[in-house]
Amino acid sequence: GENVEQHPSTLSVQEGDSAVIKCTYSDSASNYFPWYKQELGKRPQLIIDIRSNVGEKKDQRIAVTLNKTAKHFSLHITETQPEDSAVYFCAAGPNTGGFKTIFGAGTRLFVKA
Amino acid sequence: NAGVTQTPKFRVLKTGQSMTLLCAQDMNHEYMYWYRQDPGMGLRLIHYSVGEGTTAKGEVPDGYNVSRLKKQNFLLGLESAAPSQTSVYFCASTARTATSSYEQYFGPGTRLTVT
Repeated sequence: GENVEQHPSTLSVQEGDSAVIKCTYSDSASNYFPWYKQELGKRPQLIIDIRSNVGEKKDQRIAVTLNKTAKHFSLHITETQPEDSAVYFCAAGPNTGGFKTIFGAGTRLFVKA
Repeated sequence: NAGVTQTPKFRVLKTGQSMTLLCAQDMNHEYMYWYRQDPGMGLRLIHYSVGEGTTAKGEVPDGYNVSRLKKQNFLLGLESAAPSQTSVYFCASTARTATSSYEQYFGPGTRLTVT
């Protein structure tokens, strides 16, 4: 089955700097890669996703890149702000309803003002 | 729309007690899931359902049972709670569409402590 590894587990950056979180996956059949943000005490919420027919996707200050050959994908947050502080989860799975989506262990991002 | 709701928000059980967690969604989603979240381990899928009357096992199904008698509801049962089941439980749902994002909509979570 799919296995998703996420690094780093904790990341601390200065406000305005960029943050990069990396994930690797094992199942070459995976072709859907979402990223979720979970603020303290809240529910996870989708912030961006990418499918395997796309190498990069951008939405304002966040972007995701995918390298299917190497089986890794990354989340990039530019011009970080204190409200970006949260736990971020990557996930990988087949392009179906999500029931085989496997989540990474999460990265706790601290943005220092 | 309320989205995905969960009942209860908090619960403390003694070892061996049973309980049922209720998840409800008003988005007419076909797929529903139950996850548990433990520190440093992300979200692990317990059971899922692809439609009314159907359920299947996820990564960590042992000690849990589920039922989906109505499309909008997905119940998670613990027959004999154990301290290892202390966790935060999230329900989620997804629409089954081929062209849109497979975004999972999560409920607010249930914090369960087993003593």
